[in-house]
Amino acid sequence: DAKTTQPPSMDCAEGRAANLPCNHSTISGNEYVYWYRQIHSQGPQYIIHGLKNNETNEMASLIITEDRKSSTLILPHATLRDTAVYYCIVRVPTPSGTYKYIFGTGTRLKVLA
Amino acid sequence: DSGVTQTPKHLITATGQRVTLRCSPRSGDLSVYWYQQSLDQGLQFLIQYYNGEERAKGNILERFSAQQFPDLHSELNLSSLELGDSALYFCASSVEPSGNTIYFGEGSWLTVV
Repeated sequence: DAKTTQPPSMDCAEGRAANLPCNHSTISGNEYVYWYRQIHSQGPQYIIHGLKNNETNEMASLIITEDRKSSTLILPHATLRDTAVYYCIVRVPTPSGTYKYIFGTGTRLKVLA
Repeated sequence: DSGVTQTPKHLITATGQRVTLRCSPRSGDLSVYWYQQSLDQGLQFLIQYYNGEERAKGNILERFSAQQFPDLHSELNLSSLELGDSALYFCASSVEPSGNTIYFGEGSWLTVV
């Protein structure tokens, strides 16, 4: 299974962009990169996903390197409510035609006032 | 609110006992996933069902079992409970077995004493 590596923690000033890196050097060509976040012990919340191209939605942007071995999640204007653990996940196909979402240890982002 | 409903929210039980956790997926979702989150293990994938059939298995103990019913709700049964089974158990759902995006419930806190 492809695995992801993230820094354990990061700080970001409120109002600034938060750039969260992720390494997934063993990713296969058909495996998507997903980002979720977990605030306290709530259920993980979907943020964004991508395969090759950069993606943007109302929450964040996802930048994937051309070799697909790493990606960066960008929160353009971080607020205190963005303080959470951010998980970079590779969606791995299973023999039955479904997918498993393999969570790593995540990055604990703290947004500072 | 993701639309995924889990009950009970909190449960305390003794070692050796058996409990059942229940999950109602989002309306229209046919696929259900179960995850376990303990302090030292992060989010671990347990099992996935699609339209009543088991489709993928992760690190699920033999003492644990799950099923998905015709109305698409799912139950996770945990038996012969041990102290180490204390964790937050999440259910997630998606429309298809390919699980393009999965949405998590708020979890069930299980404490084994």
